[in-house]
Amino acid sequence: DIQMTQSPSTLSASVGDRVIITCRASQSISTWLAWYQKKPGIAPKLLIYKASTLESGVPSRFSGSGSGTEFTLTISSLQPDDFATYYCQQYNSYCTFGQGTKLEIK
Amino acid sequence: QMQLVQSGPEVKKPGTSVKVSCKASGFNFTMSAVQWVRQARGQHLEWIGWIAVGSDVTNYARKFQERVTITRDMSTGTAYMELSSLRSEDTAIYYCAAAKSWPDVFDIWGEGTMVTVSS
Repeated sequence: DIQMTQSPSTLSASVGDRVIITCRASQSISTWLAWYQKKPGIAPKLLIYKASTLESGVPSRFSGSGSGTEFTLTISSLQPDDFATYYCQQYNSYCTFGQGTKLEIK
Repeated sequence: QMQLVQSGPEVKKPGTSVKVSCKASGFNFTMSAVQWVRQARGQHLEWIGWIAVGSDVTNYARKFQERVTITRDMSTGTAYMELSSLRSEDTAIYYCAAAKSWPDVFDIWGEGTMVTVSS
C-alpha cells in the first residue's frame, strides 16, 4: 500500500501568517492528490484536487503544488476560519490518507 | 443539489455487524464511485474502501479486507458499507464520499454516521 506522510503533525500560527503543510508519498502518485479540511463534527471539505486544482468556492489563499512523491498545501494569509485539521489523500491506487496536520492558533 | 444522505446512528454489541447506507441524489450515480472513511474520537481519517458503482468493482484497505463489504443498489442510488466482527475500536464516525465521475477525486460527502460498539 502507498503510505502518505504529512508534516508537521501540529502547527501553531497566527492570523495573517503564511503556512505550508507537506505530504510525502511512499511511491509516485503523479498528481492524484487531494487536500481536505476537517473540523470536529463536520464532514471533510475538499480544498484542492489533482495536487494543484482549487475546488470551486474555496478561497484563493489556499494553493497546492507538487507531483510524484512530494506535495505541499499553502495558506497564504491565515484567517480565523482556517484553524482546523488538514489531510492529504492519494487516490492513485487504493486511497490512503496522511495522518493529518492540526493547525492551531498561536 | 448533489448530496449524500447517510443512515442514522447505530449501537452494536461486540462481535456483531453493522450496515450503513448512503443515498445519492443530484448526480449520475452510475458514473460515480463511493468511498467509505472513518474517524474515531481523537484519531485521524482512515480509509476503508471504495466501490466503482457502474462496474461494481471494489477495493478495500488491507486492514479491513477480511471484515468489510461495500455494495451498491443502482435502482435506489444507494451505497452500503457492512462491517462485521465489531469490536470497541470500531467505534467511530463513518463517512461516505462520492467521486461524481470515476476515476476522480471524492468531492461529495455525507454527513457521517456514528457507530458505537459497546457491550
